[in-house]
Amino acid sequence: NAGVTQTPKFRVLKTGQSMTLLCAQDMNHEYMYWYRQDPGMGLRLIHYSVGEGTTAKGEVPDGYNVSRLKKQNFLLGLESAAPSQTSVYFCASSEGYGYTFGSGTRLTVV
Amino acid sequence: GQQLNQSPQSMFIQEGEDVSMNCTSSSIFNTWLWYKQDPGEGPVLLIALYKAGELTSNGRLTAQFGITRKDSFLNISASIPSDVGIYFCAGPNAGNMLTFGGGTRLMVKP
Repeated sequence: NAGVTQTPKFRVLKTGQSMTLLCAQDMNHEYMYWYRQDPGMGLRLIHYSVGEGTTAKGEVPDGYNVSRLKKQNFLLGLESAAPSQTSVYFCASSEGYGYTFGSGTRLTVV
Repeated sequence: GQQLNQSPQSMFIQEGEDVSMNCTSSSIFNTWLWYKQDPGEGPVLLIALYKAGELTSNGRLTAQFGITRKDSFLNISASIPSDVGIYFCAGPNAGNMLTFGGGTRLMVKP
């Protein structure tokens, strides 16, 4: 039972570089989400998707883009990384309120 | 948007002690959820509450849906070292979108 798989687990970027975070789920869930977690800030929703081919902005979408070309995958892109994007990123999927989270990607932008 | 305030922000307790934490909102929720995040992992759903006044247990954990529907409580009895982590409350705002509280960090001294 893989659940939600995130890659990579760790990454260091230089300011201005781009990268894509990958999220895959094997539970056939319609809903998928990207959150960032910062100390003392809890979990903040970046973008989400309610089904294949759909995306929507969350609470803190600026500086990020997403794509959901296949139901099982939800990609988070950073076009030009900034130090403020240093964070731990979590992907989740759901049917109902029982979210299943991945193990996170720790991103450092220097 | 809706905000969930958790208190305390952190707790450092002795093994065997009971723990209480709460979550409050300025808005009414129809569902309350409690998640736990182990160090280095994503949050995992512990308990879901669907009715005002509801009291639900999961092993040593007991959660209550406040009668005003603006708060929820989580108690842990006889804490053990593996209870260490961050506990998040969450409630749905629109559709399947969950709003998370800022978390209560629990540390247990053996």
